[in-house]
Amino acid sequence: AQTVTQSQPEMSVQEAETVTLSCTYDTSESDYYLFWYKQPPSRQMILVIRQEAYKQQNATENRFSVNFQKAAKSFSLKISDSQLGDAAMYFCAYRITGANSKLTFGKGITLSVRP
Amino acid sequence: DGGITQSPKYLFRKEGQNVTLSCEQNLNHDAMYWYRQDPGQGLRLIYYSQIVNDFQKGDIAEGYSVSREKKESFPLTVTSAQKNPTAFYLCASTPLGEGKAFFGQGTRLTVV
Repeated sequence: AQTVTQSQPEMSVQEAETVTLSCTYDTSESDYYLFWYKQPPSRQMILVIRQEAYKQQNATENRFSVNFQKAAKSFSLKISDSQLGDAAMYFCAYRITGANSKLTFGKGITLSVRP
Repeated sequence: DGGITQSPKYLFRKEGQNVTLSCEQNLNHDAMYWYRQDPGQGLRLIYYSQIVNDFQKGDIAEGYSVSREKKESFPLTVTSAQKNPTAFYLCASTPLGEGKAFFGQGTRLTVV
């Protein structure tokens, strides 16, 4: 069974600093997607970044980047120049490619940003 | 505008009653999902469906039922067999074979 583990329940970062959120996953598949989602207090889920497993290059989206280590099954999210609006819950998620696959989430991490 | 709509936003249920949560999407997505969110538990998958008239149990399907009679709609019924139904419920959809999921705004269900 596929599992996604986020071992840190909470993290805190100073505004304008950099923070890294950790995620590991367990799978026997070779072709899959990995995601980071943000859930602000409004509880609306927002896609932050996506990584296809077949791509060796790490995905980046403005201040957000990932460190994807396929062999280690690790997928961490780096937030640079942290802003107050980055405060939210962040979920790591996994889905294999192809039909009939479920989207599996980790337990999430609450990120607070100190002004 | 295309999107995914959940209703109602807040729902109250008496113990022993069944209640149905609505999820509608106009994105022409094939796959739809229902998740339950509890504090400290993340998003746990209840049911998912890849095509009309077909669906699969997720990790916590007991006490829930779904139907997929139309591509656009994936209602979730919380039955009286669900022992602890108070939670936040999220519906999502994705194109078949595509990873990115779109989410509704959620329904907060409270048993009174």
